Amino acid sequence: AQTVTQSQPEMSVQEAETVTLSCTYDTSENNYYLFWYKQPPSRQMILVIRQEAYKQQNATENRFSVNFQKAAKSFSLKISDSQLGDTAMYFCAFMVRADKIIFGKGTRLHILP
Amino acid sequence: DAGVIQSPRHEVTEMGQEVTLRCKPISGHNSLFWYRQTMMRGLELLIYFNNNVPIDDSGMPEDRFSAKMPNASFSTLKIQPSEPRDSAVYFCASSDVQGRQETQYFGPGTRLLVL
Repeated sequence: AQTVTQSQPEMSVQEAETVTLSCTYDTSENNYYLFWYKQPPSRQMILVIRQEAYKQQNATENRFSVNFQKAAKSFSLKISDSQLGDTAMYFCAFMVRADKIIFGKGTRLHILP
Repeated sequence: DAGVIQSPRHEVTEMGQEVTLRCKPISGHNSLFWYRQTMMRGLELLIYFNNNVPIDDSGMPEDRFSAKMPNASFSTLKIQPSEPRDSAVYFCASSDVQGRQETQYFGPGTRLLVL
């Protein structure tokens, strides 16, 4: 069975700093997708970034980038120049088939002024 | 694009009452998912549909929960009778599987409180 582990339940960083959120997963599959979703206090689930496992290049979206290590089954999210609006719960997610996502427990990130 | 639309956004009801949650997926998407989020259990997949057909309902907690998708643009999740432990945020999400857009896009959620 596939699992997703986020080992950091909660983190705090100062505004403008860089922060990295960890995620590991377990699977025997070779082709899959990985996602980071953000859930701010509004509770809306917002896609931050996605990565296809067959792509070696790490995905980047503005200040958000990932470090995808397929052999290590690691998928960390780096937020550069963090902003107050980045305060949220961040979920790492994994999908093999195009129908079922497995979410981690989440990391609550606080950006401090 | 309006995104995934859910209604109501908030629902407060008394134990034993029937609750119906509604979802309109993104136009053109052919897969729809219902999730429940609580502090204790996190995000749980309840059921998902592909081309209006339920594919996997193993996450539905019990017979009090039922879901339908009568057409490509509408789905309901019904709880009858509701219980206080059903209090949670219920999310609907949709994706375009056949278009190879694997990403699921979430609606704003319905906050349900059962007293």
